[in-house]
Amino acid sequence: GAGVSQSPRYKVTKRGQDVALRCDPISGHVSLYWYRQALGQGPEFLTYFNYEAQQDKSGLPNDRFSAERPEGSISTLTIQRTEQRDSAMYRCASSGGTDTQYFGPGTRLTVL
Amino acid sequence: GEDVEQSLFLSVREGDSSVINCTYTDSSSTYLYWYKQEPGAGLQLLTYIFSNMDMKQDQRLTVLLNKKDKHLSLRIADTQTGDSAIYFCAEILRSGAGSYQLTFGKGTKLSVIP
Repeated sequence: GAGVSQSPRYKVTKRGQDVALRCDPISGHVSLYWYRQALGQGPEFLTYFNYEAQQDKSGLPNDRFSAERPEGSISTLTIQRTEQRDSAMYRCASSGGTDTQYFGPGTRLTVL
Repeated sequence: GEDVEQSLFLSVREGDSSVINCTYTDSSSTYLYWYKQEPGAGLQLLTYIFSNMDMKQDQRLTVLLNKKDKHLSLRIADTQTGDSAIYFCAEILRSGAGSYQLTFGKGTKLSVIP
């Protein structure tokens, strides 16, 4: 596609439910990143994929968070047993092998 | 974002120049970036500068880098109301796992007064 797309744009869920957030990177980009942005803060790194390999998950806050990119294109970030503190904007970015990352519109997650 | 610091607010009159400042901590950063965030929109890459450069100009945007002081600035000439947004400074660091992680400041909210 022309840019990075993410879905859904908004997600409201109840505490304890699982959510899956989707990212579709720029076509041909091998690197894919997930970031989380709390209100009033800058984005913070969660995890990184090189093609389908998850090479860095050092930013995932706990084991309720997981991500996959099975075919090296679309990625899914899953949060199990959501908690109110998980409420944030979740941003995906892709890169074509240079350092420059291009971001999608984000998914605003609200956990009630 | 604690490693990258920015002032939180800036207010300027339309037509004036805006200067947004940023300090970063890691001298090994290869690139430094400015992103723009408008309400309801994603993070838009505005410009970037390679760490061995002092200055980069791109139309109304001028980026200055003082590597000795780890200071980065973004100057917007002839600021317009459409420039009202939050501007994020970010440095890029290569992790031991091979990822290029962006570390962002908290963002500077630019308000342009007509």
